[in-house]
Amino acid sequence: AQSVTQPDIHITVSEGASLELRCNYSYGATPYLFWYVQSPGQGLQLLLKYFSGDTLVQGIKGFEAEFKRSQSSFNLRKPSVHWSDAAEYFCAVGVEYGNKLVFGAGTILRVKS
Amino acid sequence: GAVVSQHPSRVICKSGTSVKIECRSLDFQATTMFWYRQFPKQSLMLMATSNEGSKATYEQGVEKDKFLINHASLTLSTLTVTSAHPEDSSFYICSATRGAELSSPLHFGNGTRLTVT
Repeated sequence: AQSVTQPDIHITVSEGASLELRCNYSYGATPYLFWYVQSPGQGLQLLLKYFSGDTLVQGIKGFEAEFKRSQSSFNLRKPSVHWSDAAEYFCAVGVEYGNKLVFGAGTILRVKS
Repeated sequence: GAVVSQHPSRVICKSGTSVKIECRSLDFQATTMFWYRQFPKQSLMLMATSNEGSKATYEQGVEKDKFLINHASLTLSTLTVTSAHPEDSSFYICSATRGAELSSPLHFGNGTRLTVT
């Protein structure tokens, strides 16, 4: 069965520092991978997605993610974090049929000034 | 961009009553809608998949008689929590898409915080 692991529950970075959020997936076929961000009490906003092609994917708000098949990973990165990036981030894998997503447990990002 | 509206954003109800949550796609026809439940400090768990005009498909372990889902039109799906109990308190989020393919963009509502007293 498909699963997503986000090993870091909380991460704190200084404003202006670089960020990497880890995501590992388990899925038998070609994965469809997503990163979403959720602000407190809000729904989810899509940051970026990978379906095929270039393994380095650019998203909104300056985020990017790299798909590494050999490591079953899809880590999210940002070169310089802003205070407004503080939120919870979810990695998800899409099941081939039905547009269903399986989410990781999420990583809460705190940004200190 | 496409907008999904979820209403109400917060609801408090007494144990034993039923609560209806609406999920509307405002500017596109949503052939498929999904309902998720999110416990505090946990991830989203898919409850059911709702296709317009047909019965919802529930995930394993989700009681379909307790969580009634109706997708009567291409812009509206409702989730009714029947005979609510305190353990049903949670954050419920819907999402909607034009198509069933993963390439079809998925749009999320802002969620509904349900508190059962």
